[in-house]
Amino acid sequence: GAVVSQHPSRVICKSGTSVKIECRSLDFQATTMFWYRQFPKQSLMLMATSNEGSKATYEQGVEKDKFLINHASLTLSTLTVTSAHPEDSSFYICSASGVLSTDTQYFGPGTRLTVL
Amino acid sequence: GENVEQHPSTLSVQEGDSAVIKCTYSDSASNYFPWYKQELGKRPQLIIDIRSNVGEKKDQRIAVTLNKTAKHFSLHITETQPEDSAVYFCESTGGGNKLTFGTGTQLKVEL
Repeated sequence: GAVVSQHPSRVICKSGTSVKIECRSLDFQATTMFWYRQFPKQSLMLMATSNEGSKATYEQGVEKDKFLINHASLTLSTLTVTSAHPEDSSFYICSASGVLSTDTQYFGPGTRLTVL
Repeated sequence: GENVEQHPSTLSVQEGDSAVIKCTYSDSASNYFPWYKQELGKRPQLIIDIRSNVGEKKDQRIAVTLNKTAKHFSLHITETQPEDSAVYFCESTGGGNKLTFGTGTQLKVEL
C-alpha cells in the first residue's frame, strides 16, 4: 500500500506556543488529506478535510483559527496548532487518499503532542 | 449528521474462536464501510472494506457483511490468533463524503 509519513512523531511544547505537524504522502499523489485527533482509548475524531490547493473543511466544533491546515501540494499537508494549551495534548493522525473519501485512506504514524 | 454505533466495546475470545464486531449507521446515503485495526500507539491499518453494492466480502480469515436495509455491517474474524489482539474501528462514509468512525472495539485473543 501507499506510504504516509508524519513528522514529528512526538513533540512537547510550552503552553502558548505553536506547533506544526507535517503529513507527507511518499509514493502517491494525495488529492485529499484528513486530520484526526485521538484521545487515549477513544476513537478517531475527524478534525478537517483538506484538498490540495483549496481551503480545508473543518468539522463542527473544530476552531479553524486554532488548527491551521495547509495543503499546498499533492504530497504535503500541514497542521499547525496555534497558541497550544494543555487540553490540546493528544494524538494527531493524518491520512491521505485520492479524489474521494471513499478511496482507501492511508494513515500516517501519528504525532503525540504534549503541551505543558 | 451520520451516527455510527459500534458493539461490543470490548471482546475477549479464546484462540481459535471467531470474533464478530457490529456497527450500525444512520445515513442511508452511506456507501463505503472500511474496518481498521489499530495496535497500541500505532496508526490504523485498513484490514477490509465493503461498498454498498455488495453484501459480503472475504479475505482469508476476515470477512465483512453489509445489510443496507437494516443499516448495519459486521466484521468477522475466524480462527483468531493472539496477533489479532488490537482495537478495531469501523467507519462509514455518508452523504457528502462525510466520514464517521465507530467508537472502537478492544479485541483480546487469549491463549
